[in-house]
Amino acid sequence: GAVVSQHPSRVICKSGTSVKIECRSLDFQATTMFWYRQFPKQSLMLMATSNEGSKATYEQGVEKDKFLINHASLTLSTLTVTSAHPEDSSFYICSARDSRVNEKLFFGSGTQLSVL
Amino acid sequence: RKEVEQDPGPFNVPEGATVAFNCTYSNSASQSFFWYRQDCRKEPKLLMSVYSSGNEDGRFTAQLNRASQYISLLIRDSKLSDSATYLCVVNIRSGGSYIPTFGRGTSLIVHP
Repeated sequence: GAVVSQHPSRVICKSGTSVKIECRSLDFQATTMFWYRQFPKQSLMLMATSNEGSKATYEQGVEKDKFLINHASLTLSTLTVTSAHPEDSSFYICSARDSRVNEKLFFGSGTQLSVL
Repeated sequence: RKEVEQDPGPFNVPEGATVAFNCTYSNSASQSFFWYRQDCRKEPKLLMSVYSSGNEDGRFTAQLNRASQYISLLIRDSKLSDSATYLCVVNIRSGGSYIPTFGRGTSLIVHP
């Protein structure tokens, strides 16, 4: 079945540093990837929709200059949290749609970001 | 009003019980529907798609009611390993595409 690889799985960093998270579709082409953030005991909140070869579409309230998304190829999307602060600490997770499989979503394993 | 709503629970049931979750969605143009299971601090995993005709996979049965705009998940003969958060996902039309939108999840705790 479709597999989405996400790394790193865990990041601990100092306030003010930038963190890059990668998400790869391993055996299918993902023209669209989704980036979510999940705080403890909360639902997955869509941050942005990443489309290969074009600018990402950000949800209301998500700062595009802070959360940089690049989707340069059909198999790779990256999310960079720039100048991270403690309030950015969260579980970030990507997902990709495999249109061959009735639009089901396949998820990366998530990245737990802790900003000190 | 949220686009996809679920009762967060928790639902606390004994092993062997039958438990049902509902999820309502507000956008009548919603296309496809799914139930996912998420364990703590893990990625969601697809449990099953939901069709108007209803579908069953072992102990799990999913139903879609388009007229009333809700989907349901029934778990029979609950196992301890069923303890997790169950997420309702609806593909909602936005512009020219469909965006997967999550409910906040319903927590299930199965106890001995």
